[in-house]
Parts: sequence; C-alpha cells; structure tokens
Amino acid sequence: GQSLEQPSEVTAVEGAIVQINCTYQTSGFYGLSWYQQHDGGAPTFLSYNALDGLEETGRFSSFLSRSDSYGYLLLQELQMKDSASYFCADFYQKVTFGIGTKLQVIP
Amino acid sequence: DADVTQTPRNRITKTGKRIMLECSQTKGHDRMYWYRQDPGLGLRLIYYSFDVKDINKGEISDGYSVSRQAQAKFSLSLESAIPNQTALYFCATSDSDSSYEQYFGPGTRLTVT
Repeated sequence: GQSLEQPSEVTAVEGAIVQINCTYQTSGFYGLSWYQQHDGGAPTFLSYNALDGLEETGRFSSFLSRSDSYGYLLLQELQMKDSASYFCADFYQKVTFGIGTKLQVIP
Repeated sequence: DADVTQTPRNRITKTGKRIMLECSQTKGHDRMYWYRQDPGLGLRLIYYSFDVKDINKGEISDGYSVSRQAQAKFSLSLESAIPNQTALYFCATSDSDSSYEQYFGPGTRLTVT
C-alpha cells in the first residue's frame, strides 16, 4: 500500500521561508504532487516532481529524492494568503494523499 | 463558469435515505474521481473512472456507488446513508496523460443525521 507522512501543522512568519516535508512508503511510485487548500475551498494543484531534484514555480519550489523516499515543498517570501493546508500526493495506480500540513503565516 | 461543478453544495439527510451527488465538467478530461475529506484524514479516494466504461473502486468504496453517465458527468450515490458518511465530498478530473494534476470541484458538504 501507499503511505505519505507530513507534519500536521507549521507556523511561519510573513516574509520568511518555510519547508513542508513529505516522506512516503509505497509499493510503487510515479512522482510527488503538491496541492494547496484554503479553508472551505477546493484543493488546487501546485507542482509535480517526477524526477529527483528541484522544480521551481514562482515563490514555490518542490523537491524530490527517490533514494530517500522524501520530498518537500518550499514557500519563499511568505504572504498571509499562503495560510492554508498543503497536501502531498502520489498517483501510482490509485491516488494517495498525505493528511495535509496546516500552515499558519503570522505577521 | 467553473470547469468542475458539483450539486448540491450542501445537503442534510437522514440515516437510511438514498442520496446522489452530481459532478459535471467542461474541461474535456477523460478521468474523473470522487473523494471524501474528513478532518485529520486528508482526502481519500472513493471511486475513479478513466472513461465512460471504466470504473474502479478506490480506497473506501464500501457504502457508495457511482455512475458515469457521459464523459462530462460522474455521480456518486449513497444507497443508505449513515452518520459516519458525514463529510466533505469532492469531485475531480484529470487528463489521461497527467493524472497527477487534478482539478477539483467546489465540494459538497453532506451531513447525515
């Protein structure tokens, strides 16, 4: 089966950098996706890593290391609107999401 | 107009009732999915469909059934609702070449009393 683990909560200061980690244990693996979900809203796609290394999209970057079964989402220049839950997900055969990390950005 | 729509947005029903949640999409995607979200449990896959004739069970399909009426429509039914099916339900779609990038509807908040 598939299992993805994330911290449940992270707090960071506006303007700072925060890293949200995701470790996985899977019987197979395609790659790691990241989604953002604001309270009361729908998840929205942020990024996908199929290969090892860093993918950058504006203030957000995502990293994958297959040898370590580990990835992370990096958010730079944090803004108050980044307060949300962030989910990692694997789409091997069926879909498996982590339980999500609730990020609180404080002034 | 939204690319993925869900109806109803909110529903309160009683134990034992049959209820249907509907999902429509205008993205032209082949693949559609139903998830439920519970606090602290993340998103869990109920059913998914890769095309009109291909429907598959997800992680938690017991107590649910689905129908893919057309490429653009995918409905979820609770045959006999029970209180532990109270949750937020999301429909999602993806292109067949990029299942990792899914587009979610606004969600249906279902309460079973």
